[in-house]
Amino acid sequence: GAVVSQHPSWVICKSGTSVKIECRSLDFQATTMFWYRQFPKQSLMLMATSNEGSKATYEQGVEKDKFLINHASLTLSTLTVTSAHPEDSSFYICSAREASTDTQYFGPGTRLTVL
Amino acid sequence: QKEVEQDPGPLSVPEGAIVSLNCTYSNSAFQYFMWYRQYSRKGPELLMYTYSSGNKEDGRFTAQVDKSSKYISLFIRDSQPSDSATYLCAMKAGGSEKLVFGKGTKLTVNP
Repeated sequence: GAVVSQHPSWVICKSGTSVKIECRSLDFQATTMFWYRQFPKQSLMLMATSNEGSKATYEQGVEKDKFLINHASLTLSTLTVTSAHPEDSSFYICSAREASTDTQYFGPGTRLTVL
Repeated sequence: QKEVEQDPGPLSVPEGAIVSLNCTYSNSAFQYFMWYRQYSRKGPELLMYTYSSGNKEDGRFTAQVDKSSKYISLFIRDSQPSDSATYLCAMKAGGSEKLVFGKGTKLTVNP
């Protein structure tokens, strides 16, 4: 089956620093990847849609200058949380769309804690 | 009214029970319906993907879609403790890439 990885699986950082999270589709090419955020006991909230080679499309209320997304290849998208603050602490999950089946496969998530 | 409504539970059943999980939706443009399973602190795992109204079966899992009632269900037969997880329904409109998720139902299967 289609596999999506994320790295790191967890990260702790100081307030004001930037954190980069990688999302890779391991056995398929993904022209479209998605970034979600999930708070405890809440559902997934879409932050942005990332298309290979073009600018990401952000959902309403998501600061594009704070959450930088790069989709440089068909198997890799990165999310950089810039100048992180404690309120950015959350579980960040990416997904990759497998075109032939039009199915989104999710990564294992990255838990970010900002001190 | 939210686009997708899902009872968050929690739902607790004994091992071997039949579990019924449900979602309702308001957007008639939704054409594709999915069920994901999410273990604690993990990413969602796709269980079932359906397009049309009717039933789809995969092992112990059956997904049911009733577009006329805007209602979807996931049935788990012979439930096992390993089925304990949060189950998320998700759906999308034709021509759209965006998934809209329910809040998820937390299921516990007791041995």
